[in-house]
Amino acid sequence: ELKVEQNPLFLSMQEGKNYTIYCNYSTTSDRLYWYRQDPGKSLESLFVLLSNGAVKQEGRLMASLDTKARLSTLHITAAVHDLSATYFCAVVRFTGNQFYFGTGTSLTVIP
Amino acid sequence: EAGVTQFPSHSVIEKGQTVTLRCDPISGHDNLYWYRRVMGKEIKFLLHFVKESKQDESGMPNNRFLAERTGGTYSTLKVQPAELEDSGVYFCASSPGTGGHNEQFFGPGTRLTVL
Repeated sequence: ELKVEQNPLFLSMQEGKNYTIYCNYSTTSDRLYWYRQDPGKSLESLFVLLSNGAVKQEGRLMASLDTKARLSTLHITAAVHDLSATYFCAVVRFTGNQFYFGTGTSLTVIP
Repeated sequence: EAGVTQFPSHSVIEKGQTVTLRCDPISGHDNLYWYRRVMGKEIKFLLHFVKESKQDESGMPNNRFLAERTGGTYSTLKVQPAELEDSGVYFCASSPGTGGHNEQFFGPGTRLTVL
């Protein structure tokens, strides 16, 4: 079974600081997603990464994918309070449609 | 365009009772998925419908769980009888098309608490 490990589980950071969330997965996959969830809300898609070396950026968030290392990172630059949420990575295999999720990272940005 | 909706948002029941969760996918999406997140753990796949047919139900934990998608529109997930370990957040997702790996659009989830 495909395993996805995400760390850290909890992250408390000050505004203006940088930090990285890591997502490791156990077997080769077709694509990797990053989602954000605010309390009581739907999971919102942030990025989809398709190939080795892919890098995508949106505002203060940047995601990258290293398929050889089976590792994706979500880098937060100069955090602001609005980024407080739970972030999930999810991997999809070449065969099948189910998503395999990490445990999520609960991010709190402190003013 | 309306997103994926789920009802109820919260449900608190006693062990042994029955609960039915509902999911309305985005209109026109053939694929509908159910997932579950138990406290502190990862979100885990339960099953996948293509229209009204069960494509993959490998994640269903046991026969106390019954999912249906009559007419290929909304879906229900019934838990009968509920056990303590069924507590968690149940997510529904939908995606368009019948092939390939399309992005899944998630609902807000139903938080189920079994006492």
